[in-house]
Amino acid sequence: GQNIDQPTEMTATEGAIVQINCTYQTSGFNGLFWYQQHAGEAPTFLSYNVLDGLEEKGRFSSFLSRSKGYSYLLLKELQMKDSASYLCAVKQRTYKYIFGTGTRLKVLA
Amino acid sequence: EAGVVQSPRYKIIEKKQPVAFWCNPISGHNTLYWYRQNLGQGPELLIRYENEEAVDDSQLPKDRFSAERLKGVDSTLKIQPAELGDSAVYLCASSRSREADTQYFGPGTRLTVL
Repeated sequence: GQNIDQPTEMTATEGAIVQINCTYQTSGFNGLFWYQQHAGEAPTFLSYNVLDGLEEKGRFSSFLSRSKGYSYLLLKELQMKDSASYLCAVKQRTYKYIFGTGTRLKVLA
Repeated sequence: EAGVVQSPRYKIIEKKQPVAFWCNPISGHNTLYWYRQNLGQGPELLIRYENEEAVDDSQLPKDRFSAERLKGVDSTLKIQPAELGDSAVYLCASSRSREADTQYFGPGTRLTVL
């Protein structure tokens, strides 16, 4: 079967670091994606991992371990505008994307 | 480069009425996706097109939903008749190809069925 798990909600303080975890089970893994979605808006692409390891992009980094079916998104120097939902999505070999339910992040002043 | 365009942005209808959503993908993007997103959930794929061919419509409720992408560019998703449970945001996304590193989403159509 296929399943993606991520925490429903997280809270962090402005300027801090937060790690959002995602575990997945899927047949035919072909990449893992992180998207940011502000309330009432469309998801926007943040990062893509297809090989094990860390991908860094400014304040955002994403890590993948294929053997463990595990990824995390790391957000550094949190800003108020980072308050949003973060969606973990797996791309299968059939080119289908499976999305998690999203993690709602609240950044407090 | 213009993004994915969708219309309308909002639609309110009564149950049993028909409704249609339109999507124009990013120019040159061959792959087009329609998703449904319920409140507090992630997007769920309804149908994926490669050019004008529907290559994955396994999640599309075919008794009431239909879609087309006649010339391999813009696409229409239709519901007839709508049910209360169809209230959701309908997102269109496109990518250059199915192998592309990401897909780009449109702003979505928020459908409310009364």
